Amino acid sequence: KQEVTQIPAALSVPEGENLVLNCSFTDSAIYNLQWFRQDPGKGLTSLLLIQSSQREQTSGRLNASLDKSSGRSTLYIAASQPGDSATYLCAVRPRDTGNQFYFGTGTSLTVIP
Amino acid sequence: DAGVIQSPRHEVTEMGQEVTLRCKPISGHNSLFWYRQTMMRGLELLIYFNNNVPIDDSGMPEDRFSAKMPNASFSTLKIQPSEPRDSAVYFCASSRGQGSYEQYFGPGTRLTVT
Repeated sequence: KQEVTQIPAALSVPEGENLVLNCSFTDSAIYNLQWFRQDPGKGLTSLLLIQSSQREQTSGRLNASLDKSSGRSTLYIAASQPGDSATYLCAVRPRDTGNQFYFGTGTSLTVIP
Repeated sequence: DAGVIQSPRHEVTEMGQEVTLRCKPISGHNSLFWYRQTMMRGLELLIYFNNNVPIDDSGMPEDRFSAKMPNASFSTLKIQPSEPRDSAVYFCASSRGQGSYEQYFGPGTRLTVT
C-alpha cells in the first residue's frame, strides 16, 4: 500500500522568505502527484498537479517538482506572504489502483508578518 | 462550473439520529470520493465510485455508514445511527476519470454528534 509522508509537520517562517515543503511516497508507480492547500475550516484547494512524465510544474510563486525514482516531491514557495499560511497536503495516485488518491498528513505553514 | 457542491455545510445532531450528507460532483466527472477528516486521523478515504458504481468501500468504518450514487450528479453518505465519534468534517471530491486526472474537493460538511 502506498504511504505518503510530509515533513515537517509544521513550519514557521518570516515573511519574504523562500521555503520548501517536502513530500515522500513509497511506491514510484504513480499516475500523478497533486499538491493542495487547506485553510482552517475550509476545503482543499488544488494548487498544482504533476503528471508522472513531468519533472515540475509552476504556478505564480509556487513550483512543484517530482522525482519518481526517489519517491519525492517538493513544493517551493517564493517570497512567502502571510496569506500563504495554511496547511499544505500532497496526494499521489498509484497506477495499480488508478483511482484512489493517497494523502500525506500535511505541513502546517505559518508566515509571520 | 460551480465546483463540487455539498450540503448541508454544518450538521448538529444527537446520538442515535440518522444523518444524510449530500454531494453533487462537477458535471462530466465520473469518479466521486467521500473522505472524512479529523485532527487525530487526518484525511481518510471512506469510499469511491466510478461511473456510479462503488469501487472500494474498505474505508467505511462500519455498517452504520452507507453511501449511494443513484446517478452521475448525486451521491449521499448516510450514518445510521450516528455516534459522537462520527463527529468530523466530511468531504466529497470528484475527478474526471481514472488515471491522470486531478481531484477537486467540495467545501465539506462539518458534522457534530452530541
